[in-house]
Amino acid sequence: QQPVQSPQAVILREGEDAVINCSSSKALYSVHWYRQKHGEAPVFLMILLKGGEQKGHEKISASFNEKKQQSSLYLTASQLSYSGTYFCGTVQGGSEKLVFGKGMKLTVNP
Amino acid sequence: IAGITQAPTSQILAAGRRMTLRCTQDMRHNAMYWYRQDLGLGLRLIHYSNTAGTTGKGEVPDGYSVSRANTDDFPLTLASAVPSQTSVYFCASSSGENNEQFFGPGTRLTVL
Repeated sequence: QQPVQSPQAVILREGEDAVINCSSSKALYSVHWYRQKHGEAPVFLMILLKGGEQKGHEKISASFNEKKQQSSLYLTASQLSYSGTYFCGTVQGGSEKLVFGKGMKLTVNP
Repeated sequence: IAGITQAPTSQILAAGRRMTLRCTQDMRHNAMYWYRQDLGLGLRLIHYSNTAGTTGKGEVPDGYSVSRANTDDFPLTLASAVPSQTSVYFCASSSGENNEQFFGPGTRLTVL
């Protein structure tokens, strides 16, 4: 079951904040976040496990609401380097496989 | 080799031809994966392997086969390529199912 990401695309000015949402209709065990720049491979950002804590890395953090089967990625004071497509991937309880959403394209302009 | 590599970088293939995409990792990761990426559809899992000697089907396995003879290599074979298999193919590896996946640089395949 592919997770649903929203919004599909966002355009920001440098320094603005953004929130990317990822939701599933199935019970989730974990949520993974990746960023992919144009023409490059996806790069890991973070994993949130069921029962785990909110994760953060510099100005990028994420939360996992187990009751709602949702995760949100928070980009604070966005930088030009944050531009790219953000994918969430979910692992359902009892499954071995990571299923990616369709992605959210973020453009950060000067 | 450092990390995960894929070959070829790109390929144009006539429909009906057989093609093997190569993937090699030097991180001694147990798990390896093949994804295809199409515009607007995100990354879709084709096949995976949790450890050498075992493989499993992903979301879109039809028309593809894999083998995992050893830890390092995970080739993907298209037995008889069709135009709908035109895509960018990414190989990835991880030390476990809930660990970070490291992606290769991708192979851009065009089937005419």
